[in-house]
Amino acid sequence: GQQVMQIPQYQHVQEGEDFTTYCNSSTTLSNIQWYKQRPGGHPVFLIQLVKSGEVKKQKRLTFQFGEAKKNSSLHITATQTTDVGTYFCAAPMNRDDKIIFGKGTRLHILP
Amino acid sequence: DAGVIQSPRHEVTEMGQEVTLRCKPISGHDYLFWYRQTMMRGLELLIYFNNNVPIDDSGMPEDRFSAKMPNASFSTLKIQPSEPRDSAVYFCASSSEFLRTEAFFGQGTRLTVV
Repeated sequence: GQQVMQIPQYQHVQEGEDFTTYCNSSTTLSNIQWYKQRPGGHPVFLIQLVKSGEVKKQKRLTFQFGEAKKNSSLHITATQTTDVGTYFCAAPMNRDDKIIFGKGTRLHILP
Repeated sequence: DAGVIQSPRHEVTEMGQEVTLRCKPISGHDYLFWYRQTMMRGLELLIYFNNNVPIDDSGMPEDRFSAKMPNASFSTLKIQPSEPRDSAVYFCASSSEFLRTEAFFGQGTRLTVV
C-alpha cells in the first residue's frame, strides 16, 4: 500500500555535528508532519508543512517540503544530547484517507 | 487539559487472557486514534473514530481486536484472547481536525503477553 519511506533508519553522530533525516513518498502529499519520540516516551508533534517548497525553522531544526510535495527533510544543526530520540514523518495518504507514519530515524548522540 | 490519558501504563498478562486498554482524549477533540508500535512494524494505525463513530478499522489486525468509544471522553481497545505477538506499545491519540492538525499522543500502554 501507500507509504512514506524514511531514511536513514539509524544515525549516530558526535555531539555538535549536524543531522538530517529524509522522508519520501511516491505520491504527492497534501501536507506532512514531523514528530519526535524520546526513548521510552510518546510521539510529540514538531511541525506541519503544507506548501510546496516550504521551509520552516525551530531554533536548530530546519524543516523542508519538496517542490513536488513528495519529499521532506528535517535537519538539526549542531546536535545536542537533548536531540536524542526517534524522528518520524507522517502524512495523509489520500487514497486511504488516513495518516501514515514513516518508520522513523533513530538518532544517537555520541558525547 | 491534562492531555490524552491512557491506562494502564504497563500491562503484563498471560496468553489467552482478555486485555482492555483505556483512553481519555483531550476534551473537544473530535478524532481519536489507536496506534500500535513495535520495532518491526513501527507505528501502525489500528482504528480511528470521529465523533465517537468508528470510521476506519482496516488496521485492526484480527477479530481478536475490538475498539469502542461509548462517549466523547472515553475509548477502549480490547484484545480477546491475547497472544504473545500482541506485545507492543499501544498509543491513543486525539486531534481536533482530521489530517490537518497535530495529533496529541497519550503516554502509551506497554503490553506484554507471556
